[in-house]
Amino acid sequence: GAGVSQSPSNKVTEKGKDVELRCDPISGHTALYWYRQSLGQGLEFLIYFQGNSAPDKSGLPSDRFSAERTGGSVSTLTIQRTQQEDSAVYLCASSPANYGYTFGSGTRLTVV
Amino acid sequence: QKEVEQDPGPLSVPEGAIVSLNCTYSNSAFQYFMWYRQYSRKGPELLMYTYSSGNKEDGRFTAQVDKSSKYISLFIRDSQPSDSATYLCAMTQYGNKLVFGAGTILRVKS
Repeated sequence: GAGVSQSPSNKVTEKGKDVELRCDPISGHTALYWYRQSLGQGLEFLIYFQGNSAPDKSGLPSDRFSAERTGGSVSTLTIQRTQQEDSAVYLCASSPANYGYTFGSGTRLTVV
Repeated sequence: QKEVEQDPGPLSVPEGAIVSLNCTYSNSAFQYFMWYRQYSRKGPELLMYTYSSGNKEDGRFTAQVDKSSKYISLFIRDSQPSDSATYLCAMTQYGNKLVFGAGTILRVKS
C-alpha cells in the first residue's frame, strides 16, 4: 500500500481481556517497529523486526505483550490480560533499511 | 535522567517568526539524528535526517547537530499556522531502534 496501515484505529476493551493490534507495512519494507506513546510522553520502543525475526524485543514491558510478523509483511501485537496502564497509542513504523521510518496513524487503546 | 531531553512547551509564536527547537542527549554513541512532526491523532512524519555533526537545510527547515555538546536543533523560518504540531527529536546509534524525545508542542498564531 501507499502507507503504513494500522487497525483498528480505536479500541476500547475491558480490563483483563486480550487485544490484537494489526500493522500492514509499506510493501518491500524489511524493517518493522512497534512503539507506544502515552499522553505527554515520547515514543517508547517496544520491538523491532527484520524480516520475520525480532532481533530486539527489549522494550516489551511484560510477558503479557507479544508480537509476530509473518511473510515479512503483516505484524500483530498482542496484549494479554489488559491493564489500565496499557492504555496508550500504539504506533507501527516500517523502513526499507535502518532509518527513515514511515509511521502509521496508530491504534488508540483504552482499557476500562 | 532520560537519554534524550526535550522541553515539552508549549511554544507559542506569531506567524512569520523563526522557531528554534532543541534536544540534548547523553549517549555519545548516537550517530543518526532525526526530527519528526506529529499532528494531532496522526503518526509522526519524518522532517529532517542528519548523520553525525553539521547542518542540513531543506526549504524553511534547518537541522543542526553538535555532537561535542550533545545538542541538536531544528530551526523553522517564516513559520506558518500549518506548522502547529508536536515536534519530536529522535536519534540512534546504528539506524534502528530510535530513541525519541518527549516532543515539543508548537503553536503558530496567525
